[in-house]
Amino acid sequence: SYVLTQPPSVSVAPGKTARITCGGNNIGSKSVHWYQQKPGQAPVLVIYYDSDRPSGIPERFSGSNSGNTATLTISRVEAGDEADYYCQVWDSSSDRHVVFGGGTKLTVL
Amino acid sequence: EVQLVESGGGLVQPGGSLRLSCAASGFTFSDHYMDWVRQAPGKGLEWVGRTRNKANSYTTEYAASVKGRFTISRDDSKNSLYLQMNSLKTEDTAVYYCARVGLDYDSSGEQSLMDVWGKGTTVTVSS
Repeated sequence: SYVLTQPPSVSVAPGKTARITCGGNNIGSKSVHWYQQKPGQAPVLVIYYDSDRPSGIPERFSGSNSGNTATLTISRVEAGDEADYYCQVWDSSSDRHVVFGGGTKLTVL
Repeated sequence: EVQLVESGGGLVQPGGSLRLSCAASGFTFSDHYMDWVRQAPGKGLEWVGRTRNKANSYTTEYAASVKGRFTISRDDSKNSLYLQMNSLKTEDTAVYYCARVGLDYDSSGEQSLMDVWGKGTTVTVSS
């Protein structure tokens, strides 16, 4: 089955840029979605179809997807961005299902 | 306001059954596929399964970990989604979320993003 690999943790100072990667075999051929989850809360969609932003999500959040890596980029990081981030795709192989990455804890120093 | 509210969680013994519900409001429920996603304590998100809409014959998909034990259904007349969980195991302990699937099709030809989530309901499987 299809596997998405994320780093367990990323740390960044306020005002700097955070990059969270999501690795998968030829992930560039798939549509990648990203979710933010703060402690005790439900996930929130922050990027869809690789690089689109839902209404209400700051422009500081952006995404890209090519080759074997998709990337969520958060510019000018704020303390309120500290959360877990998950990438997600639909695996359309014989075992049709949603696949989530293992999640990345973003720490704002 | 678009909203999803889960209910039905609780404590159940291993081998037991539980039925979760998800009440939808603020959107045309019948148009959308709906997913269940769970999160074990301290762990990441795990997709449980999906029901498609009437136009797609209400077909369902399940994660391998729950296939044959869990059944997803929906009642469009009640704007409600259900998860029937049988033969529960301790590893099914988790917060269970229902999520609305967005209407657009992705590059694989599937509707794949989850754009609205409920707050979740907690299921504990323990003796």
